Amino acid sequence: QKEVEQNSGPLSVPEGAIASLNCTYSDRGSQSFFWYRQYSGKSPELIMFIYSNGDKEDGRFTAQLNKASQYVSLLIRDSQPSDSATYLCAGLGSWGKLQFGAGTQVVVTP
Amino acid sequence: KAGVTQTPRYLIKTRGQQVTLSCSPISGHRSVSWYQQTPGQGLQFLFEYFSETQRNKGNFPGRFSGRQFSNSRSEMNVSTLELGDSALYLCASSLEDRSYNEQFFGPGTRLTVL
Repeated sequence: QKEVEQNSGPLSVPEGAIASLNCTYSDRGSQSFFWYRQYSGKSPELIMFIYSNGDKEDGRFTAQLNKASQYVSLLIRDSQPSDSATYLCAGLGSWGKLQFGAGTQVVVTP
Repeated sequence: KAGVTQTPRYLIKTRGQQVTLSCSPISGHRSVSWYQQTPGQGLQFLFEYFSETQRNKGNFPGRFSGRQFSNSRSEMNVSTLELGDSALYLCASSLEDRSYNEQFFGPGTRLTVL
């Protein structure tokens, strides 16, 4: 079992709709969580990080963390075709290692 | 501020050879981490260096090694290359604060082993 799990997708989202991505983790000692966006053939780009329970908003992106349920999510509001990419969830584990999920592919359709 | 740079960007080697990849972190960043990304395994952590010391290591064989210099630049070496080592090798740098450990990735080195 991977320490960070994500649905691989693809997640098809109509333009203008909300994309909802989910991530679960097994290491209860994980302190911080990160969402990266990776376009095909490119390196991951940091979108947001969250370390406290609750919501954190940045523009069209909202990250949610629930440590009791070991659950992290990312909402993308008003999805645009440029949001089409693979979204990687990562958790900073208790041993100081950043563990990545396999990524969820998002496809925004016009 | 310049981002993370990696050289070379592309590399073709044959089985049995060795390879050295280089990474220059963002100015002021003292931690450098290396990852291997393949379609089947995703992003896998190789190792992390901070102040010239290896601070963490992933589950890779001893053929994979690295080091960090006093200017925070880092190199990783893979000896006795195998076909399965073909991958995108990514370097990421971060400030020394481990609590948040925001990591910023370089463009990667695409290694092909023939």
